[in-house]
Amino acid sequence: GQNIDQPTEMTATEGAIVQINCTYQTSGFNGLFWYQQHAGEAPTFLSYNVLDGLEEKGRFSSFLSRSKGYSYLLLKELQMKDSASYLCAVMDSNYQLIWGAGTKLIIKP
Amino acid sequence: GAGVSQTPSNKVTEKGKYVELRCDPISGHTALYWYRQSLGQGPEFLIYFQGTGAADDSGLPNDRFFAVRPEGSVSTLKIQRTERGDSAVYLCASSFSTGGPYEQYFGPGTRLTVT
Repeated sequence: GQNIDQPTEMTATEGAIVQINCTYQTSGFNGLFWYQQHAGEAPTFLSYNVLDGLEEKGRFSSFLSRSKGYSYLLLKELQMKDSASYLCAVMDSNYQLIWGAGTKLIIKP
Repeated sequence: GAGVSQTPSNKVTEKGKYVELRCDPISGHTALYWYRQSLGQGPEFLIYFQGTGAADDSGLPNDRFFAVRPEGSVSTLKIQRTERGDSAVYLCASSFSTGGPYEQYFGPGTRLTVT
């Protein structure tokens, strides 16, 4: 079957760094997406990885290891507005997105 | 330009009633997706359209759910004989096309509550 695993909830301090992990098992792989979703709002695109390695985009970076079925999202210099759920989604062989349940990130002052 | 819009933003209906949820995708996007999301969960795929045709409706839970996109733009998700278990946020997303790693742009969702 297809499975995406990520922690349910994480807590971090303003100004710190946090890493949100995602492991996956899917039928085929055409890339991995990270989306941010604030409470009561729609998911918004953060990053896309299809090759192994680290992609950096400002305070946010995303890493992929296809052989390990593993990705992480790294958030630096955390701000209160980063409090949100972070969704990992894998695009399968049919170019359909398989979604994880999301990680709720709580930022404390 | 305008993003994906969905109406209504909230819908409360009684068990057994019929509801229609509307989605206006980004202009020029040929692919349109419907998901539903329960609290604390990721989006659950329902159906997607490439143009006017339903390319994959394998996520529709049963035959009470149906969706159309007659002119390849606006889509309507129709739910007959609603049940309390249908209560969720229904999200619509559009992308430039399918068959490639195209980013999906989401609308704000319709919160459906079945009483």
